[in-house]
Amino acid sequence: KQEVTQIPAALSVPEGENLVLNCSFTDSAIYNLQWFRQDPGKGLTSLLLIQSSQREQTSGRLNASLDKSSGRSTLYIAASQPGDSATYLCAVRPGGNTGKLIFGQGTTLQVKP
Amino acid sequence: ETGVTQSPTHLIKTRGQQVTLRCSSQSGHNTVSWYQQALGQGPQFIFQYYREEENGRGNFPPRFSGLQFPNYSSELNVNALELDDSALYLCASTRFSGPVSTDTQYFGPGTRLTVL
Repeated sequence: KQEVTQIPAALSVPEGENLVLNCSFTDSAIYNLQWFRQDPGKGLTSLLLIQSSQREQTSGRLNASLDKSSGRSTLYIAASQPGDSATYLCAVRPGGNTGKLIFGQGTTLQVKP
Repeated sequence: ETGVTQSPTHLIKTRGQQVTLRCSSQSGHNTVSWYQQALGQGPQFIFQYYREEENGRGNFPPRFSGLQFPNYSSELNVNALELDDSALYLCASTRFSGPVSTDTQYFGPGTRLTVL
């Protein structure tokens, strides 16, 4: 059974710091991995999607890496800003005939001015 | 803005009642998935609808049911509401083309259900 874990559960950093959020999964047989951002009480915004054949994806100040063999992904945020404060969720698509996503519990990030 | 809309935004029901939540998918998308997100947790997959048929289901009892309409919009119905059904219900749409479909899923803003 696929399980997704995110560490740490919460993180507080001063503005301007570079930071790394971690995601691990137990079964390496995945089609892709997606990172989402969720503001309090809101829906999910897709940040980056990494296909199983890819090693990393970049968008602006965000870089996500994927190491399928070790069951790990990281989300790197450069030069953090207070507007980055949110909960970050990673989700794996285990494949099969549905687009089902399995989510971690998220990391809540606070960036202090 | 993802183009996925959900209604209502908030809903308060009492235990034992029934509720219907609605989702309009993004233009060009043929698949809708529903997720339940309890406070402080990641979303849990309820089920997915593709071409108006259920196409995968998570670990939820039969009192959770759904429909997908020809225009690809969808409903989630929950019967005999329990206190633990209180959560944020999210729908996500995508253009699904089979097991190797690689498209991003786009989520709506969610419906906050409170069961008293």
